[in-house]
Amino acid sequence: GENVEQHPSTLSVQEGDSAVIKCTYSDSASNYFPWYKQELGKRPQLIIDIRSNVGEKKDQRIAVTLNKTAKHFSLHITETQPEDSAVYFCAPKLNNNDMRFGAGTRLTVKP
Amino acid sequence: EAQVTQNPRYLITVTGKKLTVTCSQNMNHEYMSWYRQDPGLGLRQIYYSMNVEVTDKGDVPEGYKVSRKEKRNFPLILESPSPNQTSLYFCASSLTSASRTQYFGPGTRLLVL
Repeated sequence: GENVEQHPSTLSVQEGDSAVIKCTYSDSASNYFPWYKQELGKRPQLIIDIRSNVGEKKDQRIAVTLNKTAKHFSLHITETQPEDSAVYFCAPKLNNNDMRFGAGTRLTVKP
Repeated sequence: EAQVTQNPRYLITVTGKKLTVTCSQNMNHEYMSWYRQDPGLGLRQIYYSMNVEVTDKGDVPEGYKVSRKEKRNFPLILESPSPNQTSLYFCASSLTSASRTQYFGPGTRLLVL
């Protein structure tokens, strides 16, 4: 099965700085790489994803980069804002239903 | 409005008293799953269903049962709850098992005394 690790487990940045969260996975057959955001007391929601045939994807202030050779992908948030404070989960997925979530990264953006 | 609903949202019960948490989606999704969320462990999959009458174990199925008699509903059953099942539970659905986006329900916080 897939072994998923996220780093760091907690991250604190000043408003306006960038934040980077890394996710490593073990199964080279993984082909879909999403990031979910979970605000306090809320449900997880997909914020960005990437497929294995693409190296990078951007959506305004967030981006995801994929290194298939090294088996890791990262979430990049630029110009962070207090509303970016949340727990972020990666969840690499095989073609089938096997989706494994990382343990989460708690991001705090200080005003 | 397209959504996944769960009931109850909060539940306090005692060891051994059977309970059911319901999950329903109105998006005609084939794939549904249950997760539990515990501090420091992320979301761990309990059971999933790829379609009506098709269910399978996830990573942590012990102590849980599910059924999928209708496409829209996927109840989670705890026949004899124990304190180690105290957790936050999320139901999720997606169009198919290969679909990229999972839609999560609002969560059910369960406390087993």
